[in-house]
Amino acid sequence: DQQVKQNSPSLSVQEGRISILNCDYTNSMFDYFLWYKKYPAEGPTFLISISSIKDKNEDGRFTVFLNKSAKHLSLHIVPSQPGDSAVYFCAASGGRTDSWGKLQFGAGTQVVVTP
Amino acid sequence: EAGVVQSPRYKIIEKKQPVAFWCNPISGHNTLYWYRQNLGQGPELLIRYENEEAVDDSQLPKDRFSAERLKGVDSTLKIQPAELGDSAVYLCASSRDSYNEQFFGPGTRLTVL
Repeated sequence: DQQVKQNSPSLSVQEGRISILNCDYTNSMFDYFLWYKKYPAEGPTFLISISSIKDKNEDGRFTVFLNKSAKHLSLHIVPSQPGDSAVYFCAASGGRTDSWGKLQFGAGTQVVVTP
Repeated sequence: EAGVVQSPRYKIIEKKQPVAFWCNPISGHNTLYWYRQNLGQGPELLIRYENEEAVDDSQLPKDRFSAERLKGVDSTLKIQPAELGDSAVYLCASSRDSYNEQFFGPGTRLTVL
């Protein structure tokens, strides 16, 4: 049962433009959401997170938006750079004390930033 | 600060053979995780340790998979016997505790022939 879904397996964007990655979830008990970035032959690295008490969190070129009523979050990268080419995973956790640390990941979106 | 170390990086074995993966977490991190990532999918948690205790192993196929974290530091994950469907990347991650950011190692890519 896939509780976190990334419906776009790939995204191509021009350098300097905005990249928008989307993620949907089904478990209304999730209350903490994260984005991870993964380069080939490396493990995922943490990018940015947001808790359910917020609807927006910014960190430099990266902004995550959360729409709890729609069970949807998105990651905006502005401006996109060639080094942003990677696979991006959306993840979620929470709801029960014993669920903390149990991240549910989406399938990932491959981002390619072209010159 | 050194990151999470995993070995081997790659392993090719024949089905029915045993295999083991090793993980050394970041120093001071009490929580350790093993994930499996199949091709085209996100990581899936297999087991989570708080120090030496396995606090969540609900996703670990216990008929063939086992794990241990002796002394609450290094951990090993074992598969015996391996099946074709076990081909995947096995990721280890650690965090200060369950409420903090998880840091991932580079993973071990297992191919079962």
